[in-house]
Amino acid sequence: RKEVEQDPGPFNVPEGATVAFNCTYSNSASQSFFWYRQDCRKEPKLLMSVYSSGNEDGRFTAQLNRASQYISLLIRDSKLSDSATYLCVGLYNFNKFYFGSGTKLNVKP
Amino acid sequence: DVKVTQSSRYLVKRTGEKVFLECVQDMDHENMFWYRQDPGLGLRLIYFSYDVKMKEKGDIPEGYSVSREKKERFSLILESASTNQTSMYLCASRSDRAQFEAFFGQGTRLTVV
Repeated sequence: RKEVEQDPGPFNVPEGATVAFNCTYSNSASQSFFWYRQDCRKEPKLLMSVYSSGNEDGRFTAQLNRASQYISLLIRDSKLSDSATYLCVGLYNFNKFYFGSGTKLNVKP
Repeated sequence: DVKVTQSSRYLVKRTGEKVFLECVQDMDHENMFWYRQDPGLGLRLIYFSYDVKMKEKGDIPEGYSVSREKKERFSLILESASTNQTSMYLCASRSDRAQFEAFFGQGTRLTVV
């Protein structure tokens, strides 16, 4: 079983839509979680860290539910430029990052 | 801004060749990582290093070795390249002092023929 699992998608949504991704993790000792964004043929870049209390950055909201071992990302008012693959990442042992396979988002006009 | 630079964007090598992938970071990060990324499998950790000359195996170290002689440089070595090592290779670095995120290089797409 993979450490971090995501629905690969693709999620095809119209501009302006709200879309949510979930990610589950198996290692309860994971210390921190992140969402990374990866554009086609580019390297992953940090989108946001995920805190137990939930955190928001503009149109993006991330949540962590330790009891159920899942992380979520909500994107409101989707833009064409949000089209990318979103990677869910867990960190444990201070050095081991585990990446989900990514969820592909296509925002259409 | 943190900069992580990989020496090549694209490489084509022959089966059996010894291949060196170089990665340099300019932010004095203690930790450096090598991943490979394959469709449907996501990023998988090959090796990481938490200090100069220190290294630990990741999840898929077979067929690879690494070298970290200087803090800013982390090299991935394919001792004898095989076609199943055709992949995108990503280097990353992270500071012990930061909020734990990793910064990635632009990736090296390696094709072994």
